[in-house]
Amino acid sequence: TQLLEQSPQFLSIQEGENLTVYCNSSSVFSSLQWYRQEPGEGPVLLVTVVTGGEVKKLKRLTFQFGDARKDSSLHITAAQPGDTGLYLCAGGGSSNTGKLIFGQGTTLQVKP
Amino acid sequence: DSGVTQTPKHLITATGQRVTLRCSPRSGDLSVYWYQQSLDQGLQFLIQYYNGEERAKGNILERFSAQQFPDLHSELNLSSLELGDSALYFCASSAPPVYGYTFGSGTRLTVV
Repeated sequence: TQLLEQSPQFLSIQEGENLTVYCNSSSVFSSLQWYRQEPGEGPVLLVTVVTGGEVKKLKRLTFQFGDARKDSSLHITAAQPGDTGLYLCAGGGSSNTGKLIFGQGTTLQVKP
Repeated sequence: DSGVTQTPKHLITATGQRVTLRCSPRSGDLSVYWYQQSLDQGLQFLIQYYNGEERAKGNILERFSAQQFPDLHSELNLSSLELGDSALYFCASSAPPVYGYTFGSGTRLTVV
């Protein structure tokens, strides 16, 4: 069974601080996605990485896929209150089903 | 609006009852996925349909069933409901290759 473990589970920081969220597994994934979810809404896709070692930037967010495609990280620079939410990583397997396995999520609170 | 429509948004029902959740995928997406989200379990994959056919199954209870119709909308049927079935139920859709999902805003089911 493929599992994704996210850490930390909860993060409360001040506006302007930097942070990193980790997503780890013992399994290899063909792709890794990061989503952000706000209360009462469905998760929204932030980025997809598919190549080992790939780094993608989305404004103040930097996403990295591990060389062995077993882990990923999300780094936020100068966090803002608008970054508050639940961050989820999700891994796609090698099967053609498209099924994604989700991590438990990291709840981020950015205080002004 | 993500393009994935889920109805109803909220549902309160009694134990032992049966309910049907409805999902219309984003235009052009052939795959529909159902996930259950609870506080202690995170996002758990239930079932996937692709162009009307079941493609993958997760830890879906025997009391739960789903189908995808010719117009590609999908329904998730939950029967003999128990208190523990209270959760957020999300539908998502995707187009191949699967590099990410588009989620609906979910149905919050409360069993009393």
